[in-house]
Amino acid sequence: QVQLQESGPGLVKPSETLSLICTVSGSSVSSASYHWGWIRQPPGKGLEWIGSIYYDGSAYYNPSLKSRVTMSVDTSKNQFFLKLTSVTASDTAVYYCARLLWAARLPYFDHWGQGTPVTVSS
Amino acid sequence: DIQMTQSPSSLSASVGDRVTISCRASQGISNYLAWFQQKPGKAPKSLIFAASTLHRGVPSKFSGNESGTDFSLTISSLQPEDFATYYCQQYYSYPFTFGPGTKVEIK
Repeated sequence: QVQLQESGPGLVKPSETLSLICTVSGSSVSSASYHWGWIRQPPGKGLEWIGSIYYDGSAYYNPSLKSRVTMSVDTSKNQFFLKLTSVTASDTAVYYCARLLWAARLPYFDHWGQGTPVTVSS
Repeated sequence: DIQMTQSPSSLSASVGDRVTISCRASQGISNYLAWFQQKPGKAPKSLIFAASTLHRGVPSKFSGNESGTDFSLTISSLQPEDFATYYCQQYYSYPFTFGPGTKVEIK
């Protein structure tokens, strides 16, 4: 079965870079059928799409975060990555990785990781 | 950006009730609308895509409907495991946007 697992530091200092890894099993990040995405959820709040990436490295970012976000893929390790620079307390959230299935126009979410909490604090 | 709104923001219902949650897009999104269920402390679970198509393994008590820019999620007979927060999301255009959620609580 498809499984996604987020990993990374749970505490990041303000102004530093948040780096997360999503390790995928049961599905291939090099498949042309899928996109791979990151979503976050601040404590007690709703869901925010951060961005999505395709196996060839083409990525789409939320304009609200675009200047600080970089996503990448490592097909040899079946992983994809999130980097968010210059973090502040407002970046404190649970971060989810997810698989998106290609549709006629844009892909839709099907499988989600369990999420990893990240706190930005000195 | 396409704005998604949901109503109500919360509702109380009893086991066995039929429940309907509404979602509205700020512009036309065809049927590029998904629904998710999230329980406290858990990841969202994908329920529906293309406005009305159930993901594999999702019970048929869930159904989705669309009418223009208005969408709905109906649970035909609420069960204890259905008490959760439900989100809609458009994937018609980037950036993907989610509704603010509807919390379904036990009456």
